[in-house]
Amino acid sequence: DTGVSQDPRHKITKRGQNVTFRCDPISEHNRLYWYRQTLGQGPEFLTYFQNEAQLEKSRLLSDRFSAERPKGSFSTLEIQRTEQGDSAMYLCASSLVRPMNTEAFFGQGTRLTVV
Amino acid sequence: AQSVTQPDIHITVSEGASLELRCNYSYGATPYLFWYVQSPGQGLQLLLKYFSGDTLVQGIKGFEAEFKRSQSSFNLRKPSVHWSDAAEYFCANAGGTSYGKLTFGQGTILTVHP
Repeated sequence: DTGVSQDPRHKITKRGQNVTFRCDPISEHNRLYWYRQTLGQGPEFLTYFQNEAQLEKSRLLSDRFSAERPKGSFSTLEIQRTEQGDSAMYLCASSLVRPMNTEAFFGQGTRLTVV
Repeated sequence: AQSVTQPDIHITVSEGASLELRCNYSYGATPYLFWYVQSPGQGLQLLLKYFSGDTLVQGIKGFEAEFKRSQSSFNLRKPSVHWSDAAEYFCANAGGTSYGKLTFGQGTILTVHP
């Protein structure tokens, strides 16, 4: 297994456009997390899934943000009508819960720049 | 709400010197504590974790951390720093049983002088 994979690694978009990011977790992991990291800050939790169910959303996730994990495999994070304040690194992580809990393994992130 | 504080934004050490990065957490229940390292433009790599048991935990790359409940601290240490250790270090707390839902500190940038 090659770990958590994120695509694209970099995205530059114009303000007002929609963008979608993809995350492929470690194959046997049933939990998948999205984080946002702005310059000079630690990652901030956005949302997470257990299999295909979205269990929690942070209030950081405005209604312009939506995440899905169809069939409990890969996940997508979509941002509609992007704003300059959305410029950040978006990190995906996965972990296993039951039969044993593991720590989160992170992907390399997608760097979004909104111009 | 739980929080994690890393008081030092930037630390500079000479290669071969010892290192201690500070982390304080606040959470009522038993914390699950982690240290991650991030190189520029990269994701996060786990250095070590504390769930329970021995309060001194060993990690990868020669790092260790000590959990002190009385001080609400989980400081990261390394006896001799290498130039390749230059990176940003994050302390994190998972408040519940989901070890992936983390509250991170602001991070400490480590610079290593030759």
